[in-house]
Amino acid sequence: SAVISQKPSRDICQRGTSLTIQCQVDSQVTMMFWYRQQPGQSLTLIATANQGSEATYESGFVIDKFPISRPNLTFSTLTVSNMSPEDSSIYLCSVGTRGGGTDTQYFGPGTRLTVL
Amino acid sequence: GENVEQHPSTLSVQEGDSAVIKCTYSDSASNYFPWYKQELGKRPQLIIDIRSNVGEKKDQRIAVTLNKTAKHFSLHITETQPEDSAVYFCAATPGAAGNKLTFGGGTRVLVKP
Repeated sequence: SAVISQKPSRDICQRGTSLTIQCQVDSQVTMMFWYRQQPGQSLTLIATANQGSEATYESGFVIDKFPISRPNLTFSTLTVSNMSPEDSSIYLCSVGTRGGGTDTQYFGPGTRLTVL
Repeated sequence: GENVEQHPSTLSVQEGDSAVIKCTYSDSASNYFPWYKQELGKRPQLIIDIRSNVGEKKDQRIAVTLNKTAKHFSLHITETQPEDSAVYFCAATPGAAGNKLTFGGGTRVLVKP
């Protein structure tokens, strides 16, 4: 499977500021996704990062709050804008590799964000 | 959209016993069902998956079964070991363009030595 890295691994930020999280894959992948995992909770999809076009956001998530870029098939960024303590979560990117006609997804190591 | 429910939320078993986690899904178009294991502070790791054209799949001590008619699938872990202690997540995807995963709420498994 692909090797996925994320930067930063963790950060502590002040409310009202923004943080950009990077996701890098060591090979070209079809699909890239961004998830949020709140403390002790399951994973919730924020958006699908589309190469060369605007991301596709899930219900409850908007571009102004979570702008996403995907300039090529190996890299994506997620920005958490105008942060509040409620944004404290682990943010994970995942990548899809095709197998049997359906993309199998693998996760990056995550970025643990704490907003004070 | 898809809705995935997972039970139980916590499961405590004695080492050597079996553990079973059950999930139900709502979208009959879903055709791919992965299971992830997440240890404390780590990323979710894919441990096994099943596609809708298969009823059962095994990999050493773990197996997954799928009942498309009833829209439920289960993870079975046999001969549990302390290193099986983790949170397990089931997921489902329609497999159409986008291949988004919808996750269950997770099951915290504790294997007692």
